[in-house]
Amino acid sequence: DAGVTQSPTHLIKTRGQHVTLRCSPISGHKSVSWYQQVLGQGPQFIFQYYEKEERGRGNFPDRFSARQFPNYSSELNVNALLLGDSALYLCASSFGYHYEQYFGPGTRLTVT
Amino acid sequence: AQSVTQLDSQVPVFEEAPVELRCNYSSSVSVYLFWYVQYPNQGLQLLLKYLSGSTLVESINGFEAEFNKSQTSFHLRKPSVHISDTAEYFCAVNEAGGTSYGKLTFGQGTILTVHP
Repeated sequence: DAGVTQSPTHLIKTRGQHVTLRCSPISGHKSVSWYQQVLGQGPQFIFQYYEKEERGRGNFPDRFSARQFPNYSSELNVNALLLGDSALYLCASSFGYHYEQYFGPGTRLTVT
Repeated sequence: AQSVTQLDSQVPVFEEAPVELRCNYSSSVSVYLFWYVQYPNQGLQLLLKYLSGSTLVESINGFEAEFNKSQTSFHLRKPSVHISDTAEYFCAVNEAGGTSYGKLTFGQGTILTVHP
């Protein structure tokens, strides 16, 4: 079975631009979560979606938004990019809330 | 609020030696606990999990971790490491039940370096 997939793999943007990151969960998984991992740190929770509804939000500004589609895939959008948004963005899928989460390979975002 | 502390940022060890990576957590409710491994320029791979039942959990590649509720710890151990175990290891906690959703809180990570 295919694991969690994310696109693109790498992305370079300039300050002020907008970016959309995409994630496809493992087949049968209904929950998708997004994490930001800054170099040298552990991942930080951004959002969780379950059955197309936002179930949780981390301590991130409103420039960050996400949605989940009927096929359970998800998009993470970041507006007005700042240099500090440079990070590895990880998507994870799980069957439900408290099941183990499986991570994709991540999207490396560089903001210049 | 839940939190995770990984007590060692770096652990160097020689091949075939035993290793322990320490993890302590803080939570006011019951928790689920996880260890993930991250190789350079890759995502996180689930190494093992504690959801319920036996407090000693094992992975297929020889790692084990023991949930100690009284000490709020979930240390990761391996009796004999290989060069290929060189990676960064993250401990994570998820609060169980109630109104909590599936947010994972991670520690800062421990870089395990296995020397020949």
